[in-house]
Amino acid sequence: DAKTTQPTSMDCAEGRAANLPCNHSTISGNEYVYWYRQIHSQGPQYIIHGLKNNETNEMASLIITEDRKSSTLILPHATLRDTAVYYCIVRVVPPAAGNKLTFGGGTRVLVKP
Amino acid sequence: DAGVIQSPRHEVTEMGQEVTLRCKPISGHDYLFWYRQTMMRGLELLIYFNNNVPIDDSGMPEDRFSAKMPNASFSTLKIQPSEPRDSAVYFCASSRRQGAGNEQFFGPGTRLTVL
Repeated sequence: DAKTTQPTSMDCAEGRAANLPCNHSTISGNEYVYWYRQIHSQGPQYIIHGLKNNETNEMASLIITEDRKSSTLILPHATLRDTAVYYCIVRVVPPAAGNKLTFGGGTRVLVKP
Repeated sequence: DAGVIQSPRHEVTEMGQEVTLRCKPISGHDYLFWYRQTMMRGLELLIYFNNNVPIDDSGMPEDRFSAKMPNASFSTLKIQPSEPRDSAVYFCASSRRQGAGNEQFFGPGTRLTVL
């Protein structure tokens, strides 16, 4: 699976959009971009995933560049409950590589009042 | 849906003792995963099962660790004998099937402290 690079930490203001970047310059054509987050003392939680088109769900939006070498997770109106570590993960769709997720260091996001 | 259930939530034991962690996946999920999280190493996959069969145990640290899945609704992770360096939060996760949209659902974790 391709390696990802994320900023170690970032702050954002409550009520504002939070834009979380992820670099995956070695991504292959059959690899998806997944985002999970981990709120303190809880298990990771799935947010969203995409291949090449932009995606949106009730939690967030995922913007993937045309060359697919980077992406941005957007939390449209950050709340204090969005304070968490956010993981960007790139992986081959099963069954070629099984069903594994490989977590990196993630971005520690602090939403401030 | 109750989600993934793990027990115990906290475990404190002494070095050399046997430790058994338990997991009940979400009903209908085909895959079950065991992860370990520490400050130093982050979140690591230990082993995962598909339809109760271990598929990849390459993340299991050593022979002291073993995992079983006797049926679709129960799995155990056993450490025997336990050591202080095994202190970590252990997460169990399950997912429904293969494919791009098969997100993993994580349990609340078991915080293990080995003295």
